[in-house]
Amino acid sequence: SYVLTQPPSVSVAPGKTARITCGGNNIGSKSVHWYQQKPGQAPVLVIYYDSDRPSGIPERFSGSNSGNTATLTISRVEAGDEADYYCQVWDSSSDHPGYVFGTGTKVTVL
Amino acid sequence: EVQLVESGGGLVQPGRSLRLSCAASGFTFDDYAMHWVRQAPGKGLEWVSGISWNSGSIGYADSVKGRFTISRDNAKNSLYLQMNSLRAEDTALYYCAKEYSNAGGIDYWGQGTLVTVSS
Repeated sequence: SYVLTQPPSVSVAPGKTARITCGGNNIGSKSVHWYQQKPGQAPVLVIYYDSDRPSGIPERFSGSNSGNTATLTISRVEAGDEADYYCQVWDSSSDHPGYVFGTGTKVTVL
Repeated sequence: EVQLVESGGGLVQPGRSLRLSCAASGFTFDDYAMHWVRQAPGKGLEWVSGISWNSGSIGYADSVKGRFTISRDNAKNSLYLQMNSLRAEDTALYYCAKEYSNAGGIDYWGQGTLVTVSS
């Protein structure tokens, strides 16, 4: 089955830029979606189709995808960005197509 | 306003069954694929199962295939998950989720219903 690997944690100072990677075999050929999840809350879609932002998501959130790595970038990080972040793809390559989530990254704002 | 409200969770013994329901409102239910996603305590997200708008395409994670059955009733704007032969490792918060578009991610989530499998 398809595996998505994320760093367990990323720490960033307020006002700086956080980059969260999502590694997968030839992930650049797939569409990647990103979710933010704060403690005790349901996930929220922050990026879809690699780099599109849903309405209401700040422009500080951006995404890219190429080769074997997709990246979620959070610019001008704020305290409210502290959360777990998950990448996701649709894996149609296996006998059992379905969504696959990354392992998750905890973003800590210093 | 899109709302997804799950119900049916609870404490169940290993080997027993449970049926989860999700009541949807605020959008045209039969236009969208729907999914169940779970999260074990302190762990990450795991896709469980998905169903297309007309139930013509259904998929399951390997971890639940053969034990769980997803279904929907478009007339009642409802999504279901029948869970049989439950195991301790099925203990999780189960989210009902609406797909944004064809494999385009999930744009709305319920608040989840907790399933605890324990003797």
